[in-house]
Amino acid sequence: GIQVEQSPPDLILQEGANSTLRCNFSDSVNNLQWFHQNPWGQLINLFYIPSGTKQNGRLSATTVATERYSLLYISSSQTTDSGVYFCAVGAGGTSYGKLTFGQGTILTVHP
Amino acid sequence: NAGVTQTPKFQVLKTGQSMTLQCAQDMNHEYMSWYRQDPGMGLRLIHYSVGAGITDQGEVPNGYNVSRSTTEDFPLRLLSAAPSQTSVYFCASRLSPGLGDQYFGPGTRLLVL
Repeated sequence: GIQVEQSPPDLILQEGANSTLRCNFSDSVNNLQWFHQNPWGQLINLFYIPSGTKQNGRLSATTVATERYSLLYISSSQTTDSGVYFCAVGAGGTSYGKLTFGQGTILTVHP
Repeated sequence: NAGVTQTPKFQVLKTGQSMTLQCAQDMNHEYMSWYRQDPGMGLRLIHYSVGAGITDQGEVPNGYNVSRSTTEDFPLRLLSAAPSQTSVYFCASRLSPGLGDQYFGPGTRLLVL
């Protein structure tokens, strides 16, 4: 099956700093999503981005499908950004609809 | 819209007991799925459904059953609980298998003693 690797595994920032999270995947995908799992365990959609670039406030994401990676940018980080960021991908064929998750990046933002 | 709802929020079982985790969505989504999340790991797919009456296995289906009699509901049954099934369970839904964001419920924390 498709493999998903996220880096870095852990990231510690001071409030106001910028960061880039990376997601590499092993095969062609027709679905890619970024999620934030907050400290209370809730999974929150950030982006549905199988290709291209999107921005939502301080967050933006870019997926280069031909090179099999996606990047999540967090600018001017805040303590509320803390949590785990997951990349999840889906392929076509017999994997149609299924999402495979990476291991996540644990982000801690200190005041 | 309530989105994706799950009950119960927390459950303690003894080994060998059975139970059903409930999941419902009010967005008329075709695609629903169940994941489990274990410490330090991402989510792993248990079962999924592409519409009422249609279900299939995911990555870790053993010990779990599902059915989809309506578009809205997708219950997950543990037939004979084992300590290895201690986990956090998330239900998710999506408009269709190949389209749009996947939305997750708040999760059910299950402890099997």
